[in-house]
Amino acid sequence: DSGVTQTPKHLITATGQRVTLRCSPRSGDLSVYWYQQSLDQGLQFLIQYYNGEERAKGNILERFSAQQFPDLHSELNLSSLELGDSALYFCASSVGVAGVETQYFGPGTRLLVL
Amino acid sequence: AQSVTQLGSHVSVSEGALVLLRCNYSSSVPPYLFWYVQYPNQGLQLLLKYTSAATLVKGINGFEAEFKKSETSFHLTKPSAHMSDAAEYFCAVSEGNQFYFGTGTSLTVIP
Repeated sequence: DSGVTQTPKHLITATGQRVTLRCSPRSGDLSVYWYQQSLDQGLQFLIQYYNGEERAKGNILERFSAQQFPDLHSELNLSSLELGDSALYFCASSVGVAGVETQYFGPGTRLLVL
Repeated sequence: AQSVTQLGSHVSVSEGALVLLRCNYSSSVPPYLFWYVQYPNQGLQLLLKYTSAATLVKGINGFEAEFKKSETSFHLTKPSAHMSDAAEYFCAVSEGNQFYFGTGTSLTVIP
């Protein structure tokens, strides 16, 4: 158990819909990262937040957005969903922002768009 | 942009045999390098990381990796495979504030 929690574990929805994925980091960690893992794209970095502020952006679509709240939990919002958004979405956390930081991954949210 | 190449999407070894999983990165400036393991239906777990302190890095579960700048490689090894090592292994690179993962290597351990 990494100490990172993600809800829900599974999510089934339809194209065009909007969903919110939630992540609670390990106690004491200030950074939260979001990743998408799919069969065709592999594991891709989406976005990083540090202490409530956006820190880095990766391959995140404009239809996707995220935020980190004062209690440090984070939410990833996916809108206008397409079939290709079906994937496993991971959240990770680390203490700081340095590239050398160890990231602790949650168990993921499996999203299926029908 | 950085790229991470893992040669061999599937590797099979016999129990007790050497495990060698290959990883090459593209940056000319040594980045931070990581190996993660993913067991079925679980998140990724850090095995080890290279932070420029030593070229041979020892990790958990008997794994180690050697950073070779001239070859831009960071191959993962374990002298003797155990059945519990069967999993998906990912090489990752951190450069600046971006993170890049290889496509993964699925390791099968044959009894």
